[in-house]
Amino acid sequence: DVKVTQSSRYLVKRTGEKVFLECVQDMDHENMFWYRQDPGLGLRLIYFSYDVKMKEKGDIPEGYSVSREKKERFSLILESASTNQTSMYLCASSFSGAYYEQYFGPGTRLTVT
Amino acid sequence: GNSVTQMEGPVTLSEEAFLTINCTYTATGYPSLFWYVQYPGEGLQLLLKATKADDKGSNKGFEATYRKETTSFHLEKGSVQVSDSAVYFCALSDWEYGNKLVFGAGTILRVKS
Repeated sequence: DVKVTQSSRYLVKRTGEKVFLECVQDMDHENMFWYRQDPGLGLRLIYFSYDVKMKEKGDIPEGYSVSREKKERFSLILESASTNQTSMYLCASSFSGAYYEQYFGPGTRLTVT
Repeated sequence: GNSVTQMEGPVTLSEEAFLTINCTYTATGYPSLFWYVQYPGEGLQLLLKATKADDKGSNKGFEATYRKETTSFHLEKGSVQVSDSAVYFCALSDWEYGNKLVFGAGTILRVKS
């Protein structure tokens, strides 16, 4: 079974803190993705990576950065957390190819106070 | 650009009722189409998919047919159960869009016993 794990299920941080969200997949997938999920807005792509050290901006990259030093690990970084970044963050991975589904982690609910 | 439109929810049904959740898409290329389901407190998981026109995806009693002529991928189930209560997302993936998933806003399904 494909497994995508995320470092925390729940996280509470203060405004201005630097926040790291980590994601690990065990299926040798080339692609990895970070989404945020907000009520009424569905899932929005923040960043994705199609290879180690490669990254591409998604639809809402502002205020975020990412790191992929190893194939199995993809980190999302909030350089200076703000209250409008309170959200559910979902990581996913997949093989390359439009017909391959993405496998999702359980999500991290981040609250910034 | 590519987009997915789903019927708004919540959809509330009694157990054993027939379910339809409408999904239409706009794509410049030849997309693959997916339905994902998110149970309370969990990440998304693939429910079914179809990768070319007239394909039918099916899983756990759910079905959807890829209709190119109407650009639709409606989800159906003949008899829903309380355990089907979840959020359902329609999505597409397109080679021309870099294999990224484009999601609909999601439809909440509530099934009452």
